[in-house]
Amino acid sequence: QKEVEQNSGPLSVPEGAIASLNCTYSDRVSQSFFWYRQYSGKSPELIMSIYSNGDKEDGRFTAQLNKASQYVSLLIRDSQPSDSATYLCAVKTPGKFYFGSGTKLNVKP
Amino acid sequence: GAGVSQTPSNKVTEKGKYVELRCDPISGHTALYWYRQSLGQGPEFLIYFQGTGAADDSGLPNDRFFAVRPEGSVSTLKIQRTERGDSAVYLCASSSQGAYGYTFGSGTRLTVV
Repeated sequence: QKEVEQNSGPLSVPEGAIASLNCTYSDRVSQSFFWYRQYSGKSPELIMSIYSNGDKEDGRFTAQLNKASQYVSLLIRDSQPSDSATYLCAVKTPGKFYFGSGTKLNVKP
Repeated sequence: GAGVSQTPSNKVTEKGKYVELRCDPISGHTALYWYRQSLGQGPEFLIYFQGTGAADDSGLPNDRFFAVRPEGSVSTLKIQRTERGDSAVYLCASSSQGAYGYTFGSGTRLTVV
């Protein structure tokens, strides 16, 4: 079993809609959770981090964490074509991150 | 420097050759990480340095892979007797002490032919 699981997609949403990206993880000692965005041919860039159960909002992005269910999600409100990318979920254990394979998001104009 | 710098950006090598990939982290960042990313996959952990020492090298796939960071700044990932399966983008990242997220470099695309 992989440490971090994501649906590979692609997830297609119309411009202006809410995109919902999901991630599950296997290691219960994980304490820090991150979402990275990766455009094709580019390196990942950090967009959100969350450490406590509940929601964390930053602009159009909301990260949600449920440690009991070992589940992390990312909501993108008012999706824009420029949001089209692969979104990587990452889970931090002491010293290193485990990444999921990513969910490809397509936002259609 | 302003960001994490990786050189070369692209490297094509013949099977069996030796390659070195360089990472220059953000100035002052004590932690440095190497990851490998194959097409359609997330980054795969290789090795983590805290200062000069390798704090965790559990991700190195075999003894053909080795990494050093002799002065606690620049790091070199060394791959001996390259194989076609080593073809991937090699990503370096760094972070400051106490930080949670890291900053990635732009990667080195290694192609073994």
